[in-house]
Amino acid sequence: QPVLTQPTSLSASPGASARFTCTLRSGINVGTYRIYWYQQKPGSLPRFLLMYNSDSEKQQGSGVPSRFSGSKGASSNAGLLLISGLQSEDEADYYCAIWYSNTWVFGGGTKLTVL
Amino acid sequence: EVQLVESGGGLVQPGGSLGLSCAASGFSFSNSEMNWVRQAPGKGLEWISYIDGGGTTIYYADSVKGRFTISRDNAKIALYLQMNSLRAEDTAVYYCARGLGSAWGQGTLVTVSS
Repeated sequence: QPVLTQPTSLSASPGASARFTCTLRSGINVGTYRIYWYQQKPGSLPRFLLMYNSDSEKQQGSGVPSRFSGSKGASSNAGLLLISGLQSEDEADYYCAIWYSNTWVFGGGTKLTVL
Repeated sequence: EVQLVESGGGLVQPGGSLGLSCAASGFSFSNSEMNWVRQAPGKGLEWISYIDGGGTTIYYADSVKGRFTISRDNAKIALYLQMNSLRAEDTAVYYCARGLGSAWGQGTLVTVSS
């Protein structure tokens, strides 16, 4: 079972919200880890969106709008990325990651389609 | 402005070697942890190696351990990745990243093929 699991795809309408999940493997407690989120558009390099550990420890990437936000779901053992007010330019792949056991682990990525 | 510029990619035969470089600017390089991440065509991101600011703590992914070597020269403000015993599955765009991805280079393509 992978350390981080992300749904392969997600679709939403312009103006709506999109909620991405990043589920940690059983036995790895989401409360212990900072969750990092990246956006990658086709043909482009990844872009750091935000890091979320708690409401008192979070970091927004440079120039990243506040409509991108992070949280955690303790009951689901997952990191969450919420994009509100979806725009066509948000169409991209979204990756979560954690620093786990001296390795930087990425989820498989979720492809967002804005339609 | 933070800038990372990779170079050194290209076509190499299986079993061959290649060295990548990453030139950094716009931040305190010697105080920054650095990583190499790769992305195979049409695939997701895969971390391959970490080095701390002083170059004393190094980690590798199991997929490259024993074949790849990360290093840095803080005087030259550069990060390196020496890749030996290359395999077809090493074909990917290789990115250098500051810390846990606060900044990324544009990537350099490594193709391993006969």
